[in-house]
Amino acid sequence: DIQMTQSPSYLSASVGDRVTVTCRASQGISGSLAWYQQRPGKPPNLLLYSASRLQSGVPSRFSGSGSETYFTLTISSLQPEDFATYYCQQYYNTPRTFGQGTKVDIK
Amino acid sequence: QVQLQQWGAGLLKTSETLSLTCAVYGGSFSGYYWAWIRQPPGKGLEWIGEMNNIGSASYNPSLVSRVTMSGDTSKNQFSLRMTSLTVADTAVYFCARYSSSWSKYVQHWGQGSLVTVSS
Repeated sequence: DIQMTQSPSYLSASVGDRVTVTCRASQGISGSLAWYQQRPGKPPNLLLYSASRLQSGVPSRFSGSGSETYFTLTISSLQPEDFATYYCQQYYNTPRTFGQGTKVDIK
Repeated sequence: QVQLQQWGAGLLKTSETLSLTCAVYGGSFSGYYWAWIRQPPGKGLEWIGEMNNIGSASYNPSLVSRVTMSGDTSKNQFSLRMTSLTVADTAVYFCARYSSSWSKYVQHWGQGSLVTVSS
């Protein structure tokens, strides 16, 4: 199985901050990486796919980069609705695997 | 607008069998891949398995001996069956649709079903 490791697991930030979450894959996955946002009690919501492609309707303050084993999710200016948990997921092969999540909390 | 609506028993006992069904509205069942993903309370996401509309399925090796996914094209529904439940299977279970048959990230999610397994 491909292991996905996110860091940090938790971060505290303020509205307007620039925030970066990293995701590392245990082996190369090309660009087959998606990022999801999950708010409490809700299903995850797709933010980006193919590492850097923004899903329709997602604000442009979200961006992604990376390939093979190293990926980042950046929120350029944190907004109140962005306080949530973020997950990366590889879909390069099965079993599809997720990172453990990064909770973004209000400082 | 694709919507996934899921249902099934929410309280089960150890050794019993979980059965969940997901109905697809506003989109075709054919030509896509369908998945089940679960999330234990307060924890992360675990992929259970995926299938296409003609019944070709792939399961998480950690669950393969206990899981079966099936679909009903005539009803635009697909289902999950998991046997020999333990307390560790307590989780919110999500049904999901991938973006396409070649881009297997989740574009649409069901609302989630909490399944509690007690001894």
